[in-house]
Amino acid sequence: SYELTQPPSVSVSPGQTASITCSGDKLGDKYACWYQQKPGQSPVLVIYQDTKRPSGIPERFSGSNSGNTATLTISGTQTMDEADYYCQAWDSSTGVFGTGTKVTVL
Amino acid sequence: EVQLVESGGGLVQPGGSLRISCAASGSTFSNYWMSWVRQAPGKGLEWVANIKQDGSEKYYVDSVKGRFTISRDNAKNSLYLQMNSLRAEDTAVYYCALESFKHFDYWGQGTVVTVSS
Repeated sequence: SYELTQPPSVSVSPGQTASITCSGDKLGDKYACWYQQKPGQSPVLVIYQDTKRPSGIPERFSGSNSGNTATLTISGTQTMDEADYYCQAWDSSTGVFGTGTKVTVL
Repeated sequence: EVQLVESGGGLVQPGGSLRISCAASGSTFSNYWMSWVRQAPGKGLEWVANIKQDGSEKYYVDSVKGRFTISRDNAKNSLYLQMNSLRAEDTAVYYCALESFKHFDYWGQGTVVTVSS
């Protein structure tokens, strides 16, 4: 079955840039999207179709996808961005989530 | 604004059955693929199943094939997940999610399913 691998954790200082990777076989040939989940809350879509931001998502969130790796970048990270982040793609009509990355802002 | 509200979760014994539901409002439910996604305690997200707008196509993660059945009633703006032969590893928060071009635009608040004796 298809797998998407993320680093378990990423630490970033306020105002700095956080990059979260998502690796999967030929992931660049698929659309990747990203979700943010804060404790006790439902996930929220932050990036879809590799690079697009939904309405209401700050411009500091951006995405890319090429080769075997999709990347979520948070520029000028704020304390409110501390959360778990999951990438997601589709393989053979089934959904696949990444392993998840905990972003700590300190 | 779309609202998704899950219900029907609870405590069930191993081997038992449960049906959970998701009520949609604020959008034309019948226009969208719908999915169930679950999250075991302290774990990551896992896609479970999805269903096409008219119910003619359904897909499942391997671990639930033959045990879970996804269905929908467009007249009632509702999505369902019938779960049979439940196992301890099915314990999770179950979210319904509205799909738009292969991403999940809207999520419900989740319903908790606990499988334990």
